[in-house]
Amino acid sequence: QKEVEQDPGPLSVPEGAIVSLNCTYSNSAFQYFMWYRQYSRKGPELLMYTYSSGNKEDGRFTAQVDKSSKYISLFIRDSQPSDSATYLCARNQFYFGTGTSLTVIP
Amino acid sequence: NAGVTQTPKFQVLKTGQSMTLQCAQDMNHNSMYWYRQDPGMGLRLIYYSASEGTTDKGEVPNGYNVSRLNKREFSLRLESAAPSQTSVYFCASSEGSREDTQYFGPGTRLTVL
Repeated sequence: QKEVEQDPGPLSVPEGAIVSLNCTYSNSAFQYFMWYRQYSRKGPELLMYTYSSGNKEDGRFTAQVDKSSKYISLFIRDSQPSDSATYLCARNQFYFGTGTSLTVIP
Repeated sequence: NAGVTQTPKFQVLKTGQSMTLQCAQDMNHNSMYWYRQDPGMGLRLIYYSASEGTTDKGEVPNGYNVSRLNKREFSLRLESAAPSQTSVYFCASSEGSREDTQYFGPGTRLTVL
């Protein structure tokens, strides 16, 4: 079983929609979680990181961790075409999900 | 600042050939990493160097060697390339604490025929 499981999508939404991206993890040891955004043919770049539980907000982005269900989520409000990318969740720096491909249609 | 740079951007090899992927960072970071990214598999850590002079295996080290040449440079060598090593390779660097941000390079697309 992979450390972090992520639905690969693809996910397609209209501009302005709220997007929910999700991952599950298996290890309960101390951890922190990160969301990276990767544009086509580019390297990943960090969007947000958060510790084991709770929410963290940054502009249109909210990262949420549900420790009881081992579920991590990234919400994007008022999605824009420029948000079209692959989103990767990661646990404890080294363990990445497979990425979810998102397209925001104008 | 260029950040993390990787050379080459693209490479095609024949089975059995060798090559070295180069990575350099100009952010004075202590730690450097090599990942490969494959469809359906995500990013997987090959090797990392927590600090100059040290290297450690990651999740998928077989078939690869690394050299931390100095604080700026971290190279990845394929001694005898195999088709299974066809992938996109990313180098990354970070300051070196447990929870810090990794900065990724643009990647090298490698095809082994």
